Parts: sequence; structure tokens; C-alpha cells
Amino acid sequence: GAVVSQHPSRVICKSGTSVKIECRSLDFQATTMFWYRQFPKKSLMLMATSNEGSKATYEQGVEKDKFLINHASLTLSTLTVTSAHPEDSSFYICSAERQGWGEFTEAFFGQGTRLTVV
Amino acid sequence: SQQGEEDPQALSIQEGENATMNCSYKTSINNLQWYRQNSGRGLVHLILIRSNEREKHSGRLRVTLDTSKKSSSLLITASRAADTASYFCATDPTDSWGKLQFGAGTQVVVTP
Repeated sequence: GAVVSQHPSRVICKSGTSVKIECRSLDFQATTMFWYRQFPKKSLMLMATSNEGSKATYEQGVEKDKFLINHASLTLSTLTVTSAHPEDSSFYICSAERQGWGEFTEAFFGQGTRLTVV
Repeated sequence: SQQGEEDPQALSIQEGENATMNCSYKTSINNLQWYRQNSGRGLVHLILIRSNEREKHSGRLRVTLDTSKKSSSLLITASRAADTASYFCATDPTDSWGKLQFGAGTQVVVTP
């Protein structure tokens, strides 16, 4: 299967600072990437859809000025949590979409980033 | 909002037993996928079943799909301790290509 690399895997930051998380598709080009947030023992909540060369599409309730997404190339999308607060502490996961055979697409996930804001 | 709903939420079995979990969804789909997540890790794709398929096998995994009931099941046969993980179903809705909708997951614990 395809490989998606997410970095860093863990980060601790102070309140008020910004944190950047990278998501790279290593062996395929991904025009679309997705960013999810996962609370402990909960499911993945889609935050936004990142499209190469255009603005990200945010889900309802997700602050776009808080969670900045940049998809500057076909292999890299970044999520920046700006002015982080303790309530932003969570597990963030990205996925990259690859066109599969026929009518479906395949999603490959990064290993996730555990963000802790202190 | 999450579309898929898994049942049960948690499952505890012994090695060698089979584990069955179900997923229900609400809208039309292109396909349904099952993922596995070890604690604090990313998701690993297990199997994809298309909307025109009814059953699919992959190793010890068996997935069924009933589009009339909007439900799917994942069966893990002859479970092993290494199967301990959370399992999520994800639907690919027909009205939003590639935007997977995840269920809440089933936490499976397999004891030796």
C-alpha cells in the first residue's frame, strides 16, 4: 500500500504558541488530503479537506483561522494550530487520497500527531 | 457528523474465538471500508467492499455488506492477542467523493 508520513508524532507546546504538523504522501501524488481530529476513545472527526493549489474546505464548526491548512504541493499538506490552547490538545491524523480503480478512491493515513498544549 | 455506527462499542474475547462487529450507516455509499487502529496510532486500512459487492474475504477477515439494510459486518476469525485494537468502519458517501465518514469504533480486546 501507499505510504503517508505525518510529522511530528508527538509535540508539546506552550499555550499561545503555534504548531505545524506535516503530512506527506511518499510514493504517490495526492491532490486531496484530509485532516481529522480524534478525542480519546472516540471516532475521527473530519476537520477539513485540503486541496492542492486551492483553499481548504472546512467542516462546520472548525475555525479556519485557528487551524491553518496549506497544500502547496501534490505531496505535502500542513496543518498549523495557531495560538494553541489546552483544549486544542488532541490526536490529529491526516489522510491522503489516491485514485483507485474504477469509481472509488483509496485513503491512506498518517500515523497521527499527539498534540499536548500546556 | 459521523455516519457509521459500530456495534458493539467494546468486545472482549479469548484467543481463538471469532470477533464480530457491525456497522450501520444512513446514506447511499460508493463503498465501505474497515480500518484498524492500535492505541495512539494511525489507521490501517483492512478491507474495502464496494456497494455492488455483498461479501469479501481477506485472510482471517470477512466483511459483508447489505445495502438494503445499510449495514456491514466485520468478522475476525481465530483471533489473536495481536488483533487487540479499535476497529472503525468508514463509508464513502455518493454525494461527497472521498470524504470518508467514520463510525465511533469497536474496541476489541483479545486475551491470551
